[in-house]
Amino acid sequence: DTAVSQTPKYLVTQMGNDKSIKCEQNLGHDTMYWYKQDSKKFLKIMFSYNNKELIINETVPNRFSPKSPDKAHLNLHINSLELGDSAVYFCASSQVTLNTEAFFGQGTRLTVV
Amino acid sequence: GENVEQHPSTLSVQEGDSAVIKCTYSDSASNYFPWYKQELGKGPQLIIDIRSNVGEKKDQRIAVTLNKTAKHFSLHITETQPEDSAVYFCAARDGGTYKYIFGTGTRLKVLA
Repeated sequence: DTAVSQTPKYLVTQMGNDKSIKCEQNLGHDTMYWYKQDSKKFLKIMFSYNNKELIINETVPNRFSPKSPDKAHLNLHINSLELGDSAVYFCASSQVTLNTEAFFGQGTRLTVV
Repeated sequence: GENVEQHPSTLSVQEGDSAVIKCTYSDSASNYFPWYKQELGKGPQLIIDIRSNVGEKKDQRIAVTLNKTAKHFSLHITETQPEDSAVYFCAARDGGTYKYIFGTGTRLKVLA
């Protein structure tokens, strides 16, 4: 009965590869997010979708492309991976009309070698 | 846009003592302030939150205070226990967007 689930939990890949991370929420929320947490633990927002529409697109390289096939799913595709992309990526969801918290997934630790 | 600062970055306390973490925010339109606890290898989890129409909220050993005028909010943990050791994040919900802007985190270590 996991609320926000991400797959995979760990991802090790070589520079230059393309990879995807998947996220699903079963909370019925209307908004989903991708956050990046670096080695210093800083949590930075990357993207947000509300009802399948992109509403937040921070200064992120265009090698990162989010996709939301429906409001329960938000995937992150990364092209031409670089060493600096190594981080933990968190998916989150919230019901913005209620002005409550965002629920986070367990994270995907991406290591680019 | 919103900017959230958090202090201290690390905090060590003896078991049973209190811990206080402070945050400031910049956007006066922000109206929702959650606090998250992140344990090793896990995602952040909400521990308490406060809205801008409230000055203080308490839940057992955890309390949060908000000073809207000064744009400060603080987390207070009393009677700390070793299982309170984790990284704590404050956040502010940007009133003009859907963003949750996070502070830089505080690594709390409770010494037994």
